[in-house]
Parts: sequence; C-alpha cells; structure tokens
Amino acid sequence: ETGVTQTPRHLVMGMTNKKSLKCEQHLGHNAMYWYKQSAKKPLELMFVYNFKEQTENNSVPSRFSPECPNSSHLFLHLHTLQPEDSALYLCASSQEGGTKYFGAGTRLSVL
Amino acid sequence: RKEVEQDPGPFNVPEGATVAFNCTYSNSASQSFFWYRQDCRKEPKLLMSVYSSGNEDGRFTAQLNRASQYISLLIRDSKLSDSATYLCVVNGGNPSGSARQLTFGSGTQLTVLP
Repeated sequence: ETGVTQTPRHLVMGMTNKKSLKCEQHLGHNAMYWYKQSAKKPLELMFVYNFKEQTENNSVPSRFSPECPNSSHLFLHLHTLQPEDSALYLCASSQEGGTKYFGAGTRLSVL
Repeated sequence: RKEVEQDPGPFNVPEGATVAFNCTYSNSASQSFFWYRQDCRKEPKLLMSVYSSGNEDGRFTAQLNRASQYISLLIRDSKLSDSATYLCVVNGGNPSGSARQLTFGSGTQLTVLP
C-alpha cells in the first residue's frame, strides 16, 4: 500500500450517468493530482491541487469536475462522459516537488 | 515531437540478461528525471531518480546525458520479477516554477523469460 487509496477500483457507467471517483491520502502531503492513463498512451496530467487550491487544469473537458475539500481528499465528478473517456484514472499525492505516490487507480468503462 | 519519448518495446529477454532502455526528452530546461515501474494493471511506482553523475541501485543503473537530452536505464542479471513497464519521467522545467509538472513517457514493456 502506498498510502493513497482510490475508490472504486472499477466503474462501469453509461453516457448519461453521474458518478464520482474518490481519492484519499494518509501521507500528510500537500499536493494531489488526477492523471488519466489510456491504453498505449503516456500518463496525462488532468488536475493539480496544492493546499486544497486548484493550481493546474490541463485543458480537461468540463464533463470532468474535480473537488478537493481538504488536503487529504480529492474527488473527480463525472457526468455525460464519452466512450473515449474509458481509461485508468490515477490519483497521486506528494509534498510540493517531491516524489509522487500513486493510488491503485479506478478503471473506468463508459458504455 | 513528443515531450518524452521511449521505445515502447516489447523487450523479451531471458533471465540473467542485461537490458537497456533509452528515453529522450524535448525540454532542455527539464530539471529532474526519474524511472517509474508499472506492473500490469497496477499503479506506477518510483524505481529510481536519475542524477547527472549517474547512479546505481543494485542491478539498476541510470544515466543522464543533458547535452543529448537522453536518459537510460540498465538492468543487469534480469529476474522474472523485473517484468513490467518502465516509465521515463521528466520534470517539465516549467519556467513558472511548477515543479509538480512531471511528464511521463508511454513506457517500455519488459518481459523476462525463464
């Protein structure tokens, strides 16, 4: 266990559903991240939160909506997704500039 | 040109072999370099950082060539358990100081065969 917990591990949703991914870190880190990993593609950084404030949004479509209520929890709210959004969504945390520790990911399938 | 480029493989090598992976990066301002390992259907985990002088950790040796913007990972005496995807990771060197912006390569897949 890396100290970063993601739930659910697997999610299947229809294009009209609304769901949320959850990430929790127990490492006392001040930065949290959402990444998307599609097959045969590099990890793509989606969002960065530093001390609960969103500091980066890498041109992510608005159907992905992050929320960071405190420095230990990070959510990714999903609505009206497309089949091409099917991927592994990884949460990570770090001290600023430090090593990133990843959660096990949520494998998302959009039907 | 991709920011971080790796040979995707797959590399299939026998146990005990020596295997080397290469990675090139496009941003000359990049500051930090890493190799991550990702097992099948698992999350990436830090394998080792890469220092300018080169560094070794057991059977693993990492090298950095800033002039050529090139990073390498050498695995000696490979084990079955080394089978994984190896991700080259580069700090983006964002002038605004975003040290958090790591860019991942697509990964090189290694299979060590008995």
